[in-house]
Amino acid sequence: ETGVTQSPTHLIKTRGQQVTLRCSSQSGHNTVSWYQQALGQGPQFIFQYYREEENGRGNFPPRFSGLQFPNYSSELNVNALELDDSALYLCASRSVGVTEQFFGPGTRLTVL
Amino acid sequence: SQQGEEDPQALSIQEGENATMNCSYKTSINNLQWYRQNSGRGLVHLILIRSNEREKHSGRLRVTLDTSKKSSSLLITASRAADTASYFCATDLGAAGNKLTFGGGTRVLVKP
Repeated sequence: ETGVTQSPTHLIKTRGQQVTLRCSSQSGHNTVSWYQQALGQGPQFIFQYYREEENGRGNFPPRFSGLQFPNYSSELNVNALELDDSALYLCASRSVGVTEQFFGPGTRLTVL
Repeated sequence: SQQGEEDPQALSIQEGENATMNCSYKTSINNLQWYRQNSGRGLVHLILIRSNEREKHSGRLRVTLDTSKKSSSLLITASRAADTASYFCATDLGAAGNKLTFGGGTRVLVKP
């Protein structure tokens, strides 16, 4: 059984640019969630996808969007990057009806 | 805003000592989970306690939950240097989407 993987590991962008982060869910998991973790803080829920549709969203603006693909991999897209978007972005997958989520190692995004 | 708040924010102990950290939350929950994070990497699920449970054990971990006080505690017994990490509580409100709301974390340093 493979774990949750994320790519890239690190990324540097400039303000105003767009970024796509990728997540490959753990085998057999059909639900994926994305979290943003600013330095020194706890993760904050961005949104969750189930069956390729957004199924719950946190307090993030529409420039944060996502996709889930039939193979349960997922993307997080952020448009018009701002300095405050600098953070560790974590994805987590689980099976529907199961509470425990399995987190990937994260992508560290730096916006200059 | 974050549902859970951990106390203390940082903890430094000697190897072999016990480490206790507390989490308070604001609204009714379905369950409460504890996670560990090493050096800003991915989160590792430690233990889940449901709202109708009062205490749970897993190896050297002991978690309590007091729903009347809206608080939980995590005890790590006989700590090891490898326990050095940040520990987060996360509440699951039980609504559709299994959104986890994390606290700010307790940074634990175990000195050899």
